[in-house]
Amino acid sequence: DAGVIQSPRHEVTEMGQEVTLRCKPISGHDYLFWYRQTMMRGLELLIYFNNNVPIDDSGMPEDRFSAKMPNASFSTLKIQPSEPRDSAVYFCASSSPGRVASGANVLTFGAGSRLTVL
Amino acid sequence: TQLLEQSPQFLSIQEGENLTVYCNSSSVFSSLQWYRQEPGEGPVLLVTVVTGGEVKKLKRLTFQFGDARKDSSLHITAAQPGDTGLYLCARGTYKYIFGTGTRLKVLA
Repeated sequence: DAGVIQSPRHEVTEMGQEVTLRCKPISGHDYLFWYRQTMMRGLELLIYFNNNVPIDDSGMPEDRFSAKMPNASFSTLKIQPSEPRDSAVYFCASSSPGRVASGANVLTFGAGSRLTVL
Repeated sequence: TQLLEQSPQFLSIQEGENLTVYCNSSSVFSSLQWYRQEPGEGPVLLVTVVTGGEVKKLKRLTFQFGDARKDSSLHITAAQPGDTGLYLCARGTYKYIFGTGTRLKVLA
């Protein structure tokens, strides 16, 4: 398996522009997560899906952020309009049903999309 | 949000030294995971601990889950430059929350 695939790896854009980040999860994984990582705030959960349905979007910063999962093999995170404070590395991760006694899932992360908003 | 505090925040040591990093919470959690993240990559799972007092070993890495399941530690014996990275603990069953991280640098 190729793992979780994210694109683009790097994006530089100007304030006010629309940004779309893409993710292809591992085949068979039924959970998909979007995280944002910055030096100041660490790794923050933005939203997660189960079977393509958004379950918890309480981490989405504001209305400028939206995420969709139209099918089991594709998800997008969109920022419109983008602002300099959105600059961060955005990670997508997927997981399969729990394999340990507690039911804890095992997250597999993509390599991330580094976003710079000027 | 139930925070996971990790300490130390930064650690720079010489090759061959031993070190311990910590993950603490005020809440009990059912399981805890440790990840390592290298520059330009996503975090990679190292281990999951489930039972209070549990100890797991992964080569030179020893993971311990506190008896009360509120804390965990990661001990590295004879650190090597390849151990350099950001070490993250995480709790959750479906909604995963990550700790603040320990950034480790091992000098050759």
